[in-house]
Amino acid sequence: QKEVEQNSGPLSVPEGAIASLNCTYSDRGSQSFFWYRQYSGKSPELIMFIYSNGDKEDGRFTAQLNKASQYVSLLIRDSQPSDSATYLCAVPERDDKIIFGKGTRLHILP
Amino acid sequence: ETGVTQSPTHLIKTRGQQVTLRCSSQSGHNTVSWYQQALGQGPQFIFQYYREEENGRGNFPPRFSGLQFPNYSSELNVNALELDDSALYLCASRGDRDGNTIYFGEGSWLTVV
Repeated sequence: QKEVEQNSGPLSVPEGAIASLNCTYSDRGSQSFFWYRQYSGKSPELIMFIYSNGDKEDGRFTAQLNKASQYVSLLIRDSQPSDSATYLCAVPERDDKIIFGKGTRLHILP
Repeated sequence: ETGVTQSPTHLIKTRGQQVTLRCSSQSGHNTVSWYQQALGQGPQFIFQYYREEENGRGNFPPRFSGLQFPNYSSELNVNALELDDSALYLCASRGDRDGNTIYFGEGSWLTVV
């Protein structure tokens, strides 16, 4: 079974700075990756999907994928207090189930 | 708004009891999957249904069972509840053209005492 590793944090970042979240995965054959954001007491919300090497940008969010090194990262520019949440990295398996990491808690300091 | 609704939102059960959690998906979402998320952990895949047939199962015992109905609703049943079953239970659905992208409902918080 595929494994997804994330630093549990908490990661503390000053407001307005760039938050960098990292994820490594075990299966070199993995093709696509998700980033979900989960506020405390709420369900995960999909924020990014990436399947190509390189960067994918969506507003203040940039996902970076490096298949050779088997890591995927999420950058949040101009961090806001509302970005404080747990960020889950996820990888789909061939039978469509999604393997999630344990998540990284991000705390934006006002 | 994902179009996936779950009920109940919170419930408390006693060890040994049985529980049924319900999910209603968008029309056309033929695939529904259920996940368990314990505190401080990522969601863990329980099982998946496609057009009312189970087509994938994670490492959960048989006392976790499910059903999917033609009206895009589904159920997760857990028998003989244990304390470790306390978790957030998430229903996720997707249409045939959504690829791997799944959309979660708000979840059902189950506490077993």
